[in-house]
Amino acid sequence: GAGVSQSPRYKVAKRGQDVALRCDPISGHVSLFWYQQALGQGPEFLTYFQNEAQLDKSGLPSDRFFAERPEGSVSTLKIQRTQQEDSAVYLCASSLQGQETDTQYFGPGTRLTVL
Amino acid sequence: AQSVTQLDSHVSVSEGTPVLLRCNYSSSYSPSLFWYVQHPNKGLQLLLKYTSAATLVKGINGFEAEFKKSETSFHLTKPSAHMSDAAEYFCVVSDPNAGKSTFGDGTTLTVKP
Repeated sequence: GAGVSQSPRYKVAKRGQDVALRCDPISGHVSLFWYQQALGQGPEFLTYFQNEAQLDKSGLPSDRFFAERPEGSVSTLKIQRTQQEDSAVYLCASSLQGQETDTQYFGPGTRLTVL
Repeated sequence: AQSVTQLDSHVSVSEGTPVLLRCNYSSSYSPSLFWYVQHPNKGLQLLLKYTSAATLVKGINGFEAEFKKSETSFHLTKPSAHMSDAAEYFCVVSDPNAGKSTFGDGTTLTVKP
């Protein structure tokens, strides 16, 4: 595709509900990243995939957060039993190889609001 | 461990005057450094990156940055600001193990007519 796409763009959830956020990376990009961006702050790393392998999930804030990329393309970030502190913009990025010199291409983000 | 400090949370300049956005980094490795820009309701876009080649890096829209190892800095500059430069700017350091990028808290650039 032309760029990284994310859906939905906006999500409102009641506290305690489960949500699923989707990311479609640029076709052929090996690496995929998820970030959480709270209001007024920079994005914070959540997790990273190379193809279907989740190589680093050290940034996931709790075991309520789960990410997968089963076929090495589309990825889903799932948040169970949402809490108000989960309200943020969730950004997805992809890069060609995942080397530290690679440019990451970002999607527009999903803005999650937990009431 | 690695970290990034953007020294100014807000910078305001007049159109046509120079822009300086300051960034200091800390890394145990020889770092790769990036500047991204985020316009309202738009995705993050790469401005430029340093990857251990030339220390003066030129990017898009007239921006450039200089890597100074002795000062652990990677400041972003532009000779003449344009109204369209108003946005949020992020300095980023990338882990050489490829997985993790660390973002600064961002600098909001305002350009006055």
